[in-house]
Amino acid sequence: GAGVSQSPRYKVTKRGQDVTLRCDPISSHATLYWYQQALGQGPEFLTYFNYEAQPDKSGLPSDRFSAERPEGSISTLTIQRTEQRDSAMYRCASSSRTGEGETQYFGPGTRLLVL
Amino acid sequence: QKEVEQDPGPLSVPEGAIVSLNCTYSNSAFQYFMWYRQYSRKGPELLMYTYSSGNKEDGRFTAQVDKSSKYISLFIRDSQPSDSATYLCAMSARGSTLGRLYFGRGTQLTVWP
Repeated sequence: GAGVSQSPRYKVTKRGQDVTLRCDPISSHATLYWYQQALGQGPEFLTYFNYEAQPDKSGLPSDRFSAERPEGSISTLTIQRTEQRDSAMYRCASSSRTGEGETQYFGPGTRLLVL
Repeated sequence: QKEVEQDPGPLSVPEGAIVSLNCTYSNSAFQYFMWYRQYSRKGPELLMYTYSSGNKEDGRFTAQVDKSSKYISLFIRDSQPSDSATYLCAMSARGSTLGRLYFGRGTQLTVWP
């Protein structure tokens, strides 16, 4: 595709509900990253995929957060039993390969509001 | 203390001014240094990229890295209203998750005509 796309762009949910966010990376990009960006802060790393493998989940805040990329393309980030502190912008980025200094291309993000 | 510190501003300058943005960091393993520009309602886009210490120039933009001081800067010459955006510094370290970026909180810049 022309760029990284994310859906939905906005999500409002009630505390305790599960939400699933979707990221469609640039086609053929091997590496996909998820970041969480709180209001007034920079993005913070959550996890990343190299194709379908998920080598690093260390940034996921709790076991309520999980991510998948089963076919090495589209990825989903699921938050179970949402809490108000989960409210943030969730950003996805992709790069052509895994490597230090590889350019990451960011999507527009999904803004999540937990009431 | 966060690994990357950046003054959030806001910074407001007249068109044509020279803008100086900067970040400090604490992790001496950082080797790759980037500046991202983020327009309202858009995702960050890479503006400048520098490896290790030194300067890099691209048009009106100059990035500087001083690893001895753990300090990076972005200079914008002849600033334009179209430069109004949030500027995020980002860096990555060798040996950790490849490509994992550590961001500053961003500096909001407004250039008024």
